[in-house]
Amino acid sequence: AQTVTQSQPEMSVQEAETVTLSCTYDTSESDYYLFWYKQPPSRQMILVIRQEAYKQQNATENRFSVNFQKAAKSFSLKISDSQLGDAAMYFCAYRLGTYKYIFGTGTRLKVLA
Amino acid sequence: ETGVTQTPRHLVMGMTNKKSLKCEQHLGHNAMYWYKQSAKKPLELMFVYSLEERVENNSVPSRFSPECPNSSHLFLHLHTLQPVESALYLCASSQEANTGELFFGEGSRLTVL
Repeated sequence: AQTVTQSQPEMSVQEAETVTLSCTYDTSESDYYLFWYKQPPSRQMILVIRQEAYKQQNATENRFSVNFQKAAKSFSLKISDSQLGDAAMYFCAYRLGTYKYIFGTGTRLKVLA
Repeated sequence: ETGVTQTPRHLVMGMTNKKSLKCEQHLGHNAMYWYKQSAKKPLELMFVYSLEERVENNSVPSRFSPECPNSSHLFLHLHTLQPVESALYLCASSQEANTGELFFGEGSRLTVL
């Protein structure tokens, strides 16, 4: 089955601290893309970071980085120096082929001042 | 106009009503998607259009009827829905030749009474 599991329904982090959101997925494919999307309350979902499965190097985007373990099918998101604006639902997803995107159930991140 | 725009943002309809959701993308993308987002569930892909041709139809009931008159516009026609089908309906677009990032609209919050 092609699934994405986000085992943490909700996480909290103190402002300026670091938090890691976990994601595991299940696919038999070898070529795919992985994504983390952010959905702030009542606002549109936006891409946070993207990883190509064929690349061993972990992607980074400013304060956001991933730990991609292909063999373990794990794709965690680390947010450093957390800010109040980081509070949102975070969705892990992967893409197979051209149109098929598989999403997880999301992790709600709260940032405490 | 920027990105992906969805109207209306909120819609309330009775079970015997017919209504439509509209999506417009200003990104020059060639693929458009309808997703259903329900609490604590992964995003559910409903339909995908590529160059105005439907390429994915995920066993969605016929009471949801998509229409893609051109590559910039996508509609979802709704009729005789059930209250359990109340959800956030998200439109997205992507450019096939690229790494496949989805660009989302803000969603249409549908309530079926």
